[in-house]
Amino acid sequence: DTGVSQDPRHKITKRGQNVTFRCDPISEHNRLYWYRQTLGQGPEFLTYFQNEAQLEKSRLLSDRFSAERPKGSFSTLEIQRTEQGDSAMYLCASSFSGRSVNEQFFGPGTRLTVL
Amino acid sequence: AQSVTQPDIHITVSEGASLELRCNYSYGATPYLFWYVQSPGQGLQLLLKYFSGDTLVQGIKGFEAEFKRSQSSFNLRKPSVHWSDAAEYFCAVGALMNSGYSTLTFGKGTMLLVSP
Repeated sequence: DTGVSQDPRHKITKRGQNVTFRCDPISEHNRLYWYRQTLGQGPEFLTYFQNEAQLEKSRLLSDRFSAERPKGSFSTLEIQRTEQGDSAMYLCASSFSGRSVNEQFFGPGTRLTVL
Repeated sequence: AQSVTQPDIHITVSEGASLELRCNYSYGATPYLFWYVQSPGQGLQLLLKYFSGDTLVQGIKGFEAEFKRSQSSFNLRKPSVHWSDAAEYFCAVGALMNSGYSTLTFGKGTMLLVSP
């Protein structure tokens, strides 16, 4: 399967714990995005990478959130000291560069439940 | 700032009937518009996109959408709905960020239910 993959698909954690999610984009895509989707809402942008550089961060991305893409390939999203409000689906997407706006290809998401 | 409005939270359509899902956008420049579909517990799949040119765009699974600049709309249509089309549909506008690159701003989605 050459699509975007995410791991794990589901994560249940207790409040206050740290969690880390992984995203593997489509191999030839150099742009990578993280979104958060809560119940009844569309995905909301969190952050964006061009290769290994993190170029944009949303105001939604509090200081408990950190994202990396160390070698310009896979990316990780870490949430420290989780809160119940962090419960959501975390989606990763990737796209080609070449134009300023490109279609994004989404992974299946990681559903986080914070108890 | 850009925004997308999908006025219908839920729509129920009989199998075989036609479908139109509404989408209105707000964006100061030329919009790049997308429709995605999401099945329960899954990620989003791109149905179609509009970048420029012909305002009627064809997508996968028999879907089409028409860009109407005067109405700031990008409605999704399908002539005959199948039970497998039941899912949530998201309209999105691609917008430039401060970095000069783009992200997507999504509407809240329309849940399509298909009745026998």
